[in-house]
Amino acid sequence: QQQVKQSPQSLIVQKGGISIINCAYENTAFDYFPWYQQFPGKGPALLIAIRPDVSEKKEGRFTISFNKSAKQFSLHIMDSQPGDSATYFCAATPLTGANNLFFGTGTRLTVIP
Amino acid sequence: DVKVTQSSRYLVKRTGEKVFLECVQDMDHENMFWYRQDPGLGLRLIYFSYDVKMKEKGDIPEGYSVSREKKERFSLILESASTNQTSMYLCASCRDRGRGGYTFGSGTRLTVV
Repeated sequence: QQQVKQSPQSLIVQKGGISIINCAYENTAFDYFPWYQQFPGKGPALLIAIRPDVSEKKEGRFTISFNKSAKQFSLHIMDSQPGDSATYFCAATPLTGANNLFFGTGTRLTVIP
Repeated sequence: DVKVTQSSRYLVKRTGEKVFLECVQDMDHENMFWYRQDPGLGLRLIYFSYDVKMKEKGDIPEGYSVSREKKERFSLILESASTNQTSMYLCASCRDRGRGGYTFGSGTRLTVV
């Protein structure tokens, strides 16, 4: 059973546009939500993360929006660039206790010039 | 810069062979993980280890085993390789499980023929 559901599976965006990737979860114990970015031929790398005590976190052109009541969170990439073309994974875990990350199935983003 | 190093970038093995995938981290992390990555399925946890000589099954352990004789090294073993084990294998490590700060290696692309 997929603990974190991610959509879409693939996304094509024009340069300068906004890329939006959505994730949903059911486990109310989850309280840490990171996003990982993976370029071809590389392993995933931590991009940005959020805790549920805030509804939004922004780092440069990357923003996580979090809706605790809906148990959904999303990644927004503003002014998308060809260099943002990568696979993005959302993830979730409870912060307390020794728990592993639960990953979404990934979104392959292509930004076309 | 912290590193997780996977010994092979590409491997081609024959059906029935015993295959060893090696992973070394230089961050003194307690926790290490093996994932396989397949299109549309995301990252699936095979095994993880939270201490030397300790191991735990992940979501898809069948056909795999692991070894952790030293803190910095975590090996994935395919006892008898099969074609359905053709995949990208990713090793990761972290200091505190549940904190989400995973560092991934660049992956090993294994093809079983």
